[in-house]
Amino acid sequence: QLVLTQSPSASASLGASVKLTCTLSSGHSSYAIAWHQQQPEKGPRYLMKLNSDGSHSKGDGIPDRFSGSSSGAERYLTISSLQSEDEADYYCQTWGTGPWVFGGGTKLTVL
Amino acid sequence: QVQLQESGPGLVKPSQTLSLTCTVSGGSISSGSYYWSWIRQPAGKGLEWIGRIYTSGSTNYNPSLKSRVTISVDTSKNQFSLKLSSVTAADTAVYYCARLAAAGITWGQGTLVTVSS
Repeated sequence: QLVLTQSPSASASLGASVKLTCTLSSGHSSYAIAWHQQQPEKGPRYLMKLNSDGSHSKGDGIPDRFSGSSSGAERYLTISSLQSEDEADYYCQTWGTGPWVFGGGTKLTVL
Repeated sequence: QVQLQESGPGLVKPSQTLSLTCTVSGGSISSGSYYWSWIRQPAGKGLEWIGRIYTSGSTNYNPSLKSRVTISVDTSKNQFSLKLSSVTAADTAVYYCARLAAAGITWGQGTLVTVSS
């Protein structure tokens, strides 16, 4: 069964960088995923599609501060030069023609 | 660019059927290769995929909801719809519609549905 695992919380200081992780369950390390941002009291916002080779394509208007990378079954979202508006929940999600599966989300606090 | 907007009753009684519509603007729902999905989010919780319909009309549903869910398309109105039967309080959530395209995912703003007598 395909499962995406995310740490419940993360924190980093204003202006610093943070790397969030989404782990694909065993046997699914070739899957591409999507990253979404959900700011407080708002709907999700698509950030990017991230492939198993680390290549990624971002949504319209997503700043260069957001980037993705991959290693094995791990999919990463790196946010550099953290701003206060980056404080949000971040969700990963399977990409493709199969059923969508979401990770549990990581709540990012900007200190 | 394409935009999606959910609409429907904000309050549904237990055991009744929840019905929502997603109106698509800025593009045709029947052209191209797109997956039109419904996702929900209970207050304070994560996202749960409900199901989707492809441009061709084929559907896929979350196994945990499959027996109660129907997703359909109305090309004449450029809309797709969700019906969830036999609702309980556990179905109270913000419901989102979304489109998956090769270029990315577009989300609607979401609509809150409360199940209560």
